[in-house]
Amino acid sequence: DIHMTQSPSSLSASVGDRVTITCRASQGISNYLAWYQQKPGKVPELLIFGASTLQSGVPSRFSGSGSGTHFTLTISSLQPEDVATYYCQNHYSAPLSFGGGTKVEI
Amino acid sequence: QVQLVESGGGVVQPGTSLKLSCAASGFRLSAHAMHWVRQAPAKGLEWVASISHDSSNQYYSDSVKGRFTISRDNSKNTLFLQMHSLRSEDTAVYFCSKGKGILSPGFDWGQGTLVLVST
Repeated sequence: DIHMTQSPSSLSASVGDRVTITCRASQGISNYLAWYQQKPGKVPELLIFGASTLQSGVPSRFSGSGSGTHFTLTISSLQPEDVATYYCQNHYSAPLSFGGGTKVEI
Repeated sequence: QVQLVESGGGVVQPGTSLKLSCAASGFRLSAHAMHWVRQAPAKGLEWVASISHDSSNQYYSDSVKGRFTISRDNSKNTLFLQMHSLRSEDTAVYFCSKGKGILSPGFDWGQGTLVLVST
């Protein structure tokens, strides 16, 4: 089974900062990596799939990169509405494992 | 407008069974794989199970394999999760989500239904 590890588990940054979250897969998953945002008390929303494809309606300050085992989610200029927990997910093979999450605060 | 509405959650005792439903609307259910994902209180997301668009393939997490069964009725636009031998560690909000292929992320999510396994 593929295990997904995110870092850091939490971070605090200022409005306007560039924020980077890392996700590592225990084995290669090509570019089959998704990122989700879950705001407090809300349902998860898909941000990025295929490692770098932005889901429709997602602001362009979000971007994803990586391939194989190392992936990053970048918020180019952090906004107050970006306060949330972010999860990566392997969509290469079952089990479709999630990372442990990264809580982003301001 | 895609809409997914879960139901069937509740408070149950350990060892009992429960069946969750997810009513889909706003899209052709028969064209999409579907997923169940759960979230224990104050914990992260955990993938539970997935089913292909035509029910020909199902995948399960090790934690539920042999106890849970994912199924669907495309004619009734409904996804199901039959849960047996429930344990306290199954306590969570259960979300259904719409994929593309069976190995795909969840593009749209329901609001979730809470399952509480407790004596």
